[in-house]
Amino acid sequence: QVQLVQSGAEVEKPGASVHISCRASGYTLTDHYLYWVRQVRGQGLEWMAMINPAGGGDTKYARKFRGRITVTRDTSTSTVYMTLSSLRPDDTAVYYCARGFGEILFDYWGQGTLVAVSS
Amino acid sequence: QSALTQEASVSGTIGQKVTLSCTGNNYNVGSYAVGWYQQISHGPPKTVMSGDSLPSGIPDRFSGSKSGTTASLTISGLQAEDEGDYYCSTWDYDSSAWVFGSGTKLTVL
Repeated sequence: QVQLVQSGAEVEKPGASVHISCRASGYTLTDHYLYWVRQVRGQGLEWMAMINPAGGGDTKYARKFRGRITVTRDTSTSTVYMTLSSLRPDDTAVYYCARGFGEILFDYWGQGTLVAVSS
Repeated sequence: QSALTQEASVSGTIGQKVTLSCTGNNYNVGSYAVGWYQQISHGPPKTVMSGDSLPSGIPDRFSGSKSGTTASLTISGLQAEDEGDYYCSTWDYDSSAWVFGSGTKLTVL
C-alpha cells in the first residue's frame, strides 16, 4: 500500500535551517508529483512546494517561501527532502508531504513532522 | 485570507445530509478539479474526494460536485466519525499556486 513516512520532530533556533524527509513506498516515486504543505497550530493548510520527481526534478515554490525553501529528491531511495532556511518562530508548524493525484490534487499524506522554532 | 471560501462551521445530526461548500473564481474552482481533505483531531489530512472521484476506502456517503465557481462536498447519512475539519483545495492560475480554503469545522450533534 502507498505510504509516505516523514522524519521526526525537530527543534531549531531562529536563523537555522531544518531538513525534513518524506520516504515513499508502495508506488514508483517518479510516477507522481510530491507536495509540501504546512499547518501552523490552530490554522489551516498552506501549500509550500511541489516537485516532479521524474526527469530533472522540476520544482515550484510558493512565493512566500521562495529564497529559503529547497526541495530535492533521491529516486534511488524514493525519498523527497525539504529544507527550510532562515527559520523564524512563526515557522513553527506541522509539515506534511502529500502525493499528487493527477496534476492538481493530492491523495496520500504523510504523518506530519512538527518543527518548533524557539530560542 | 484564503483564495477559497468555506463555511467556518457546519453541524448536523446522525443520519442527516450535510453539504459543505467551497467558493472560488474562474481562475481556480471554475477551471480545475477540487479536492476535499478531512482532518480529525489535528491528525494528518485524509483525502475524501478527488474531483468527482471517491478514493479507495472512503464510504460512498461522501460525494462531490461543482457548479461554476463553487464546489460542494455532500455527506449523506452523517456519522459520528465524520466530525472534523474539512479543507478544499485546487490550483489557482492567477497566483500560480495551489490554494486551500480556510476550512469548515463539521460538528455531529
